[in-house]
Amino acid sequence: DQQVKQNSPSLSVQEGRISILNCDYTNSMFDYFLWYKKYPAEGPTFLISISSIKDKNEDGRFTVFLNKSAKHLSLHIVPSQPGDSAVYFCAASETGANNLFFGTGTRLTVIP
Amino acid sequence: EPEVTQTPSHQVTQMGQEVILRCVPISNHLYFYWYRQILGQKVEFLVSFYNNEISEKSEIFDDQFSVERPDGSNFTLKIRSTKLEDSAMYFCASSRQGTDTQYFGPGTRLTVL
Repeated sequence: DQQVKQNSPSLSVQEGRISILNCDYTNSMFDYFLWYKKYPAEGPTFLISISSIKDKNEDGRFTVFLNKSAKHLSLHIVPSQPGDSAVYFCAASETGANNLFFGTGTRLTVIP
Repeated sequence: EPEVTQTPSHQVTQMGQEVILRCVPISNHLYFYWYRQILGQKVEFLVSFYNNEISEKSEIFDDQFSVERPDGSNFTLKIRSTKLEDSAMYFCASSRQGTDTQYFGPGTRLTVL
């Protein structure tokens, strides 16, 4: 089951620079996408979401971009801070279904 | 800020034993979920629960698993006869509506020996 893929297991970025995390999906029925952040020994924490009727959603330092034709979304964090160091999961769902499909996660390290 | 809570944080059990994992969802939420994450793998959906019944379940959620809302606040996952491969982090989540954002608890680490 590889409906949601995060091909980069890790990413290192200097503090203050932009972090770009990528996610691809294969199921064209997905119409709602979320990013979660996870620290060790904690549950996933909701960050930001986007529905398929939009191509961009912004919340403070976090922006999610959706390219439906490419079945690709990305999370931009600007500027990156050391406290952003965590594992970031992309998740997707389709209308009428309750379950989320998760990617394998990308470990972001922000270097001070 | 309201949050989902889970107990215990870590449960160790012998193979074949029954375990009950507990969750207290956010109080005004109506939909409840269980997910699990086997070490090194992705978070996987197990089951969703609404209006006192299962609304969706994955193929992982076989007859060994059951869920219950025994009172107005708790939501439980029972594994009847644990297997070694049930060892995982189990996350509870809740949402106001089925299409709303799901908020996750901190997880219960289940270790089956």
